[in-house]
Amino acid sequence: ETGVTQSPTHLIKTRGQQVTLRCSSQSGHNTVSWYQQALGQGPQFIFQYYREEENGRGNFPPRFSGLQFPNYSSELNVNALELDDSALYLCASRPAGAGTYEQYFGPGTRLTVT
Amino acid sequence: AQSVTQPDIHITVSEGASLELRCNYSYGATPYLFWYVQSPGQGLQLLLKYFSGDTLVQGIKGFEAEFKRSQSSFNLRKPSVHWSDAAEYFCAVGASNNDMRFGAGTRLTVKP
Repeated sequence: ETGVTQSPTHLIKTRGQQVTLRCSSQSGHNTVSWYQQALGQGPQFIFQYYREEENGRGNFPPRFSGLQFPNYSSELNVNALELDDSALYLCASRPAGAGTYEQYFGPGTRLTVT
Repeated sequence: AQSVTQPDIHITVSEGASLELRCNYSYGATPYLFWYVQSPGQGLQLLLKYFSGDTLVQGIKGFEAEFKRSQSSFNLRKPSVHWSDAAEYFCAVGASNNDMRFGAGTRLTVKP
């Protein structure tokens, strides 16, 4: 069984640019969430997608957006990058079915904004 | 709003010693509680979870945690720590289907 995968592993961007991060959910999982983890902190919830629609969002501005595709893969897009966007971005998927609340995380994408 | 506090930023224990990592949560209803572990440069691995029922839950790698509603706590324990347990540990509370709040983490160092 393949776990959650993310690409790329590392990324360096310049302030003001746009970035797209990708995630492939674990087989059988139909819900995907994205988190931002700044250095030395716990992950912060960005948003969640279920059936290709956003169904929950944390305290992040609209320049953070996402997509979920029919095969349950997902993208996180960040526009107008700021220095504070430098962080580890984690994707997590959740199994389909009632009563399943645990999330399974990918290895993350390390984004550096200069 | 739900929140999680991990009072200990860094803990050092000797290999073979017992371990307890503290976690306090704030949430009005019955929470869904989790412990995750993160090794350097890695994603988060689920150690254990509590949804309902028995308040003492067993997880992987010999870890267990106890839910105490009266103390709003969900502390993680291990009777004998191994050097490979050195990592960052995160407690999390899920109050709904679409949000999970994490604590700031506790970094565990294991002395030989």
